[in-house]
Amino acid sequence: QKEVEQNSGPLSVPEGAIASLNCTYSDRGSQSFFWYRQYSGKSPELIMFIYSNGDKEDGRFTAQLNKASQYVSLLIRDSQPSDSATYLCAVRTGNQFYFGTGTSLTVIP
Amino acid sequence: DAGITQSPRHKVTETGTPVTLRCHQTENHRYMYWYRQDPGHGLRLIHYSYGVKDTDKGEVSDGYSVSRSKTEDFLLTLESATSSQTSVYFCAISATRDRGVYEQYFGPGTRLTVT
Repeated sequence: QKEVEQNSGPLSVPEGAIASLNCTYSDRGSQSFFWYRQYSGKSPELIMFIYSNGDKEDGRFTAQLNKASQYVSLLIRDSQPSDSATYLCAVRTGNQFYFGTGTSLTVIP
Repeated sequence: DAGITQSPRHKVTETGTPVTLRCHQTENHRYMYWYRQDPGHGLRLIHYSYGVKDTDKGEVSDGYSVSRSKTEDFLLTLESATSSQTSVYFCAISATRDRGVYEQYFGPGTRLTVT
């Protein structure tokens, strides 16, 4: 069984701080890795993907991948109240995508 | 916006009745997926399709069937709805936009309540 594990939180950070979200996965054959943001009552929205070891930056977001440790993380710099949401980690293996249960983030003004 | 619509957006039905949810996409994507999302379980794959009339089961396929007779439409049917199928259902497509990496985009969701 392919598993994706996330700390469910809730995670609270003050406005302007760095939020760090973590994810581990069980299948070493996983090919690509994704972070989604989901606001309450809405559908998941793709923020970033990464497929090679190292860091990938996009604006205030940085995704980090360590395949040897089977670990993916998302850093959000200069956190804003609008970043308050649930963040889902997903991995793609073959034709299927596997999701973690999500980490709830609250940014406190 | 990946051009995905779902209908209906909300539905209340009684136990034992059949229910069909529709997913429609406008961008001719080959891969389409149906998920359900429940508290504590995250998103779980029900069925997916890799082309017209080509489908495969996911993690939680029992009690569900799918059909894809046209590229743009993927139907999910609950053959005899049960209260355990009360959930939010999301349709998704998979598309390559950057360096051949398949990304997944979601429709707005259907909230189904089985009483």
